[in-house]
Amino acid sequence: DAGVIQSPRHEVTEMGQEVTLRCKPISGHDYLFWYRQTMMRGLELLIYFNNNVPIDDSGMPEDRFSAKMPNASFSTLKIQPSEPRDSAVYFCASSLAHGGVGEQYFGPGTRLTVT
Amino acid sequence: GENVEQHPSTLSVQEGDSAVIKCTYSDSASNYFPWYKQELGKGPQLIIDIRSNVGEKKDQRIAVTLNKTAKHFSLHITETQPEDSAVYFCAASFSDSGYSTLTFGKGTMLLVSP
Repeated sequence: DAGVIQSPRHEVTEMGQEVTLRCKPISGHDYLFWYRQTMMRGLELLIYFNNNVPIDDSGMPEDRFSAKMPNASFSTLKIQPSEPRDSAVYFCASSLAHGGVGEQYFGPGTRLTVT
Repeated sequence: GENVEQHPSTLSVQEGDSAVIKCTYSDSASNYFPWYKQELGKGPQLIIDIRSNVGEKKDQRIAVTLNKTAKHFSLHITETQPEDSAVYFCAASFSDSGYSTLTFGKGTMLLVSP
């Protein structure tokens, strides 16, 4: 398996623009997570899905952020409009959990810069 | 909710020395404690984990210890090598029949000098 795939790897955009980050989880995994990583706040869980259904989005910072998982092999994280404080590395991770938490496999991340 | 504190934030050692990273957690119900290693430009990767029914676990040069009474757990790396240089994250979670998410520490940047 190729692991978790994220695109793009780098994104530079201007404040106010819409940004869409994409993720393909490992085939067969039933959990998908979106994280944001910054120096100040570390790794923050934004939202996670189970079998394509959003379970907990309490980490989404504000209404400008939205995430979807239309099928088991694809998820998007959208920021509209983007702001400079959204600059961070965004990770997607997937997991196959048996009777509780399982190992999370992280993608390579998308480095977002908002100018 | 759970809160995980990790220390130190940076750690520099000479090749061959041991390195120890410590974490404390707040929720006494937490029972699953993984450690992730993040190399430059990559996502975190699980290197070892421990569950609360075990006090210590070893995997070659890496070991993790858990003290439930004190609510802290540690990562020990012996005979460090330059390729061990990375950022290490501890995490905590409560795991039963239902799913529970991970709460991560802020990370420790380990630098191993040749």
